[in-house]
Amino acid sequence: ETGVTQTPRHLVMGMTNKKSLKCEQHLGHNAMYWYKQSAKKPLELMFVYSLEERVENNSVPSRFSPECPNSSHLFLHLHTLQPEDSALYLCASSRGTSDYNEQFFGPGTRLTVL
Amino acid sequence: GQNIDQPTEMTATEGAIVQINCTYQTSGFNGLFWYQQHAGEAPTFLSYNVLDGLEEKGRFSSFLSRSKGYSYLLLKELQMKDSASYLCAVTDSNYQLIWGAGTKLIIKP
Repeated sequence: ETGVTQTPRHLVMGMTNKKSLKCEQHLGHNAMYWYKQSAKKPLELMFVYSLEERVENNSVPSRFSPECPNSSHLFLHLHTLQPEDSALYLCASSRGTSDYNEQFFGPGTRLTVL
Repeated sequence: GQNIDQPTEMTATEGAIVQINCTYQTSGFNGLFWYQQHAGEAPTFLSYNVLDGLEEKGRFSSFLSRSKGYSYLLLKELQMKDSASYLCAVTDSNYQLIWGAGTKLIIKP
């Protein structure tokens, strides 16, 4: 089975909508990540969870709200987004957050905010 | 600040060799990764360097010089399927991954 899955793959929403992105990892990893990927820009780390505890929040606007109910699942709740939030949102997991931390990525959700 | 520099785009010919460079300035160093990302797909792991020198894996090799803050990814016998973006990422002293913007590689017949 694919290591990291994300749903939906594509999402179009208006600025007043509320939606959620879902990520699931089947690798037995302890850390999970949300990234934003915009064209020609480096991956922007949004949130990091280690053993279901949030360990990183890089000044992300409050209209993005993460949830990690267990070490295999990660959600990103979206509300009142702006058009500049349109991007590819990638989920990743890794064995841990220290030492060798190769990250395994999901296919991403392509988000368009109208 | 922390910074990773790599060329935005490169073009090469099928069957040839291409070298993609990456320079970094980070708070500490705990390893450097190269990932490949095809359009619309997830980044996938290619290589990891933590000590100076060359790591070879089939058609792909990665080199690291920690004193120069420099790495390169060498792709040999290029195939059309190698057309993708190549991402350089450095693990800093806090074990956070710092990412470059990626190099889009275009392979021409």
